Amino acid sequence: NAGVMQNPRHLVRRRGQEARLRCSPMKGHSHVYWYRQLPEEGLKFMVYLQKENIIDESGMPKERFSAEFPKEGPSILRIQQVVRGDSAAYFCASSPENTEAFFGQGTRLTVV
Amino acid sequence: QKEVEQNSGPLSVPEGAIASLNCTYSDRVSQSFFWYRQYSGKSPELIMSIYSNGDKEDGRFTAQLNKASQYVSLLIRDSQPSDSATYLCAVNPGGYNKLIFGAGTRLAVHP
Repeated sequence: NAGVMQNPRHLVRRRGQEARLRCSPMKGHSHVYWYRQLPEEGLKFMVYLQKENIIDESGMPKERFSAEFPKEGPSILRIQQVVRGDSAAYFCASSPENTEAFFGQGTRLTVV
Repeated sequence: QKEVEQNSGPLSVPEGAIASLNCTYSDRVSQSFFWYRQYSGKSPELIMSIYSNGDKEDGRFTAQLNKASQYVSLLIRDSQPSDSATYLCAVNPGGYNKLIFGAGTRLAVHP
């Protein structure tokens, strides 16, 4: 039973480029959450999605960031025109309902 | 402002000792509480969840919750060097899994 799958594991982008981070939840999980972790800091909630719906995006920066969880395929976190401050580890978690959430291995984004 | 506070550490304990990790939270309506372990460069791994006041034991781990004091703790008995990691306290204020994380406590278990 595969866990939460994220790809890529490492992503390097130049300033101004776009970053696309993918997350496939565990089988049977319909709730997806994205978190960001800056170096030496805790995880910060970004967005909560269910299939085809954004439920809570209160942690998303107002500009350049967007997320989706289409009917088919993985959830995507998209960062447009990346800046150095976007460098962080981005973790996706999934849960079946409002129970424990399990995390993927994360995508480490480096903006150069 | 909903906050979860943890001592950043490092907390250093000898092998075989009990490690005690503490966490306080500000939102009184919080319903569920979690401890995650995170090794350096890795993802958070769920080790304990607790929903009601009192103690919950799982192997060498015991979670303790006191909602009146807004306090949750994790005890690790017979600490091993492999327990050396950052321990993240997470609180769910209610509803869905919008977890609020503390900054984590770094635990170092030395032989």
